[in-house]
Amino acid sequence: KQEVTQIPAALSVPEGENLVLNCSFTDSAIYNLQWFRQDPGKGLTSLLLIQSSQREQTSGRLNASLDKSSGRSTLYIAASQPGDSATYLCAVRPTSGGGADGLTFGKGTHLIIQP
Amino acid sequence: NAGVTQTPKFRVLKTGQSMTLLCAQDMNHEYMYWYRQDPGMGLRLIHYSVGEGTTAKGEVPDGYNVSRLKKQNFLLGLESAAPSQTSVYFCASSENGPIEGDTQYFGPGTRLTVL
Repeated sequence: KQEVTQIPAALSVPEGENLVLNCSFTDSAIYNLQWFRQDPGKGLTSLLLIQSSQREQTSGRLNASLDKSSGRSTLYIAASQPGDSATYLCAVRPTSGGGADGLTFGKGTHLIIQP
Repeated sequence: NAGVTQTPKFRVLKTGQSMTLLCAQDMNHEYMYWYRQDPGMGLRLIHYSVGEGTTAKGEVPDGYNVSRLKKQNFLLGLESAAPSQTSVYFCASSENGPIEGDTQYFGPGTRLTVL
């Protein structure tokens, strides 16, 4: 069974720092990996999707990489801002079960950016 | 476009009561999903649908039923609510299902408390 782990569980850094969030998964048979942001009491906002054939994706100050063979992904946030404070979720779409079984999520990294 | 909407936003039930959660999407997506999110756990898939008139079980389907009578709507029903069903419920939709580039879009969630 696919398992997704996110490290660290929580992170607090001063504004302006560059930071890296880590995600690992146990089964490399995936269609894609998606990074989400979740604000308290809110839904999930998709940040980046990396297809299994891709190595990385970039959007503004965010860069996500994927090493499918080793079961790892990182989300790099450059020049962090207080508005980046949120919980970041990593999710993979397994190819088993026809792939329509939805996403398998990690528990998230709770990020606080101190002004 | 409203994207994915969920009704209601909050609900309190007594044990044994029934209710239906409504999810609607205006993106003409084929695939729709129901997840639940519990403290300390990642989101888990309850049921999903690969098109109008279809439903299938996910990871944690017990105690729930679903229906997809119209392409844009996906209903989640609790016939006899239990305290273990206290959770935040998220609906999601996607256009293409199990292919590399398929992105899931999430609704704002329904916070359900069962007393």
